[in-house]
Amino acid sequence: GAGVSQSPSNKVTEKGKDVELRCDPISGHTALYWYRQSLGQGLEFLIYFQGNSAPDKSGLPSDRFSAERTGGSVSTLTIQRTQQEDSAVYLCASSLRSRGLGQPQHFGDGTRLSIL
Amino acid sequence: DQQVKQNSPSLSVQEGRISILNCDYTNSMFDYFLWYKKYPAEGPTFLISISSIKDKNEDGRFTVFLNKSAKHLSLHIVPSQPGDSAVYFCAASVSDSWGKLQFGAGTQVVVTP
Repeated sequence: GAGVSQSPSNKVTEKGKDVELRCDPISGHTALYWYRQSLGQGLEFLIYFQGNSAPDKSGLPSDRFSAERTGGSVSTLTIQRTQQEDSAVYLCASSLRSRGLGQPQHFGDGTRLSIL
Repeated sequence: DQQVKQNSPSLSVQEGRISILNCDYTNSMFDYFLWYKKYPAEGPTFLISISSIKDKNEDGRFTVFLNKSAKHLSLHIVPSQPGDSAVYFCAASVSDSWGKLQFGAGTQVVVTP
């Protein structure tokens, strides 16, 4: 498809396990973002990637969270030693570029993560 | 701290009438504003945006107004349709930075027949 693709769509895991969430951005989009939405809250910025520049990790809530973007395309968000407060919908977005004139970000449908 | 605020968690409007959604922000560095619409179990869908050099932007039934002095923006939907029932998020960014968006908590709109 032409949109942002995320997998899995749902993930249930036990507390303490590691999880990996995947994002395939729109082809040609150089900027990629991760957000999360906890129940009843707005979207919270986590991390973004822009081309070959160092990622902005300022939104990551703890060092248990990390993300990679390989080859300037697919990205993986990894959460180690998951905690119950990590339960949320994790959303990925991409845009043509992110600096200068504003460019709308286009979102995937998210991964609903539930920590038991 | 919540830099983008949507103080109305819900809004009910009759089909055919105007829906007005409000958003306030505190960071005077924000210069690019967006509205997103979200259905359950789907990602947010971009609706309309406005740069701080403008005070109005219109796209079909959707119009966004920006009042920089009041740090306030609003989204007007007219006429409202049942398919407009969704959660609407206001977002803002500093375009000279790397574009990360700050989101409001959202307003649930219900359009009744």
